[in-house]
Amino acid sequence: AQSVTQLDSQVPVFEEAPVELRCNYSSSVSVYLFWYVQYPNQGLQLLLKYLSGSTLVKGINGFEAEFNKSQTSFHLRKPSVHISDTAEYFCAVTDNQGGKLIFGQGTELSVKP
Amino acid sequence: KAGVTQTPRYLIKTRGQQVTLSCSPISGHRSVSWYQQTPGQGLQFLFEYFSETQRNKGNFPGRFSGRQFSNSRSEMNVSTLELGDSALYLCASSPTGYTGELFFGEGSRLTVL
Repeated sequence: AQSVTQLDSQVPVFEEAPVELRCNYSSSVSVYLFWYVQYPNQGLQLLLKYLSGSTLVKGINGFEAEFNKSQTSFHLRKPSVHISDTAEYFCAVTDNQGGKLIFGQGTELSVKP
Repeated sequence: KAGVTQTPRYLIKTRGQQVTLSCSPISGHRSVSWYQQTPGQGLQFLFEYFSETQRNKGNFPGRFSGRQFSNSRSEMNVSTLELGDSALYLCASSPTGYTGELFFGEGSRLTVL
């Protein structure tokens, strides 16, 4: 069975500082990996995805993530955060079972001025 | 292109009642998935429909059901509501349901009293 662990439930950070949100997954098969963001009272929006190819994936809003197969990790990074990045971030995995994503518990990123 | 539309956005029901939630996917998308989001359990997959057929199902009791129409619009129904059914119900659509890139609606927030 697949599972996703987001290692930090809350990450406070000051504006313009770098941030890393950690995600580890477990799966016995090849997977696709994703990061989604959820702003208050909204649905989820795709930040970036890893399907195959280069292990460094760039997404929207300046975010990037690196797929590390040996460590089964897919950490999300941004070199300089803004107040507007305050949101909840979800790591997710699928083994291509048609519309089914397994989500981590989420990491609440709080950017302070 | 219009995004995923969910109705109603907010609703309040009492225990024992039933509820029907509606989802209109992005035009051309044939896969519709449903997720339940709660503070305690996080995001959990309910089911996925593709071309009017349920293709995948999560671990929810039979009180939770859904269907998809020929125009890809989908509904989910919860019968005999329990307090624990209070949640944000998210609908997501995608062209085929594979690769995991889902487009989410803003959700229907259900409160059961």
